[in-house]
Amino acid sequence: ETGVTQSPTHLIKTRGQQVTLRCSSQSGHNTVSWYQQALGQGPQFIFQYYREEENGRGNFPPRFSGLQFPNYSSELNVNALELDDSALYLCASSRNDRGQSPLHFGNGTRLTVT
Amino acid sequence: QKEVEQDPGPLSVPEGAIVSLNCTYSNSAFQYFMWYRQYSRKGPELLMYTYSSGNKEDGRFTAQVDKSSKYISLFIRDSQPSDSATYLCAMRKETNAGKSTFGDGTTLTVKP
Repeated sequence: ETGVTQSPTHLIKTRGQQVTLRCSSQSGHNTVSWYQQALGQGPQFIFQYYREEENGRGNFPPRFSGLQFPNYSSELNVNALELDDSALYLCASSRNDRGQSPLHFGNGTRLTVT
Repeated sequence: QKEVEQDPGPLSVPEGAIVSLNCTYSNSAFQYFMWYRQYSRKGPELLMYTYSSGNKEDGRFTAQVDKSSKYISLFIRDSQPSDSATYLCAMRKETNAGKSTFGDGTTLTVKP
């Protein structure tokens, strides 16, 4: 069983630029969620995708957007990067079985905005 | 005030000690409760997953949920140096698998 994989592992961007992060879900999982984890804090929910549509969003501005593809892989896009966007971005997958299955996380992408 | 509060630590114990990690929460709609372990430079790894109140044991780990007090705990018996990590509690409502609310983690060091 293949776990959740994310790319790239590290990324350095300049304020104002745009970034795309990628995620491959664990096999058999059809729901993907993205989380932002600032240093010393717990992960914060950004949004969730199921059947290629966003079906839940946390308290993040519209410059955070995403996509889910037919093979359940996913992208997180962040426009107009700000210094506070520096964080570990985590992708998690699960089965959409009325919430009975837990999240399984990848190892994240460490984004640094200078 | 955050929905989920976790004892911040850090916590340092000798090898073989029993470790108790705790979280409190304010939202009575939370039904699923999880504990994750996160090593440095890694993603969170699921340790325990429980539904509603009660206890669940898995090897050296025991998770307890007291919904009446809005309090959850993770106990680690016979702690090992390899248990040194940050432990995150998480919880979510009945539906919506993706949105979990996390505590800020407790960093544990087990000294040989």
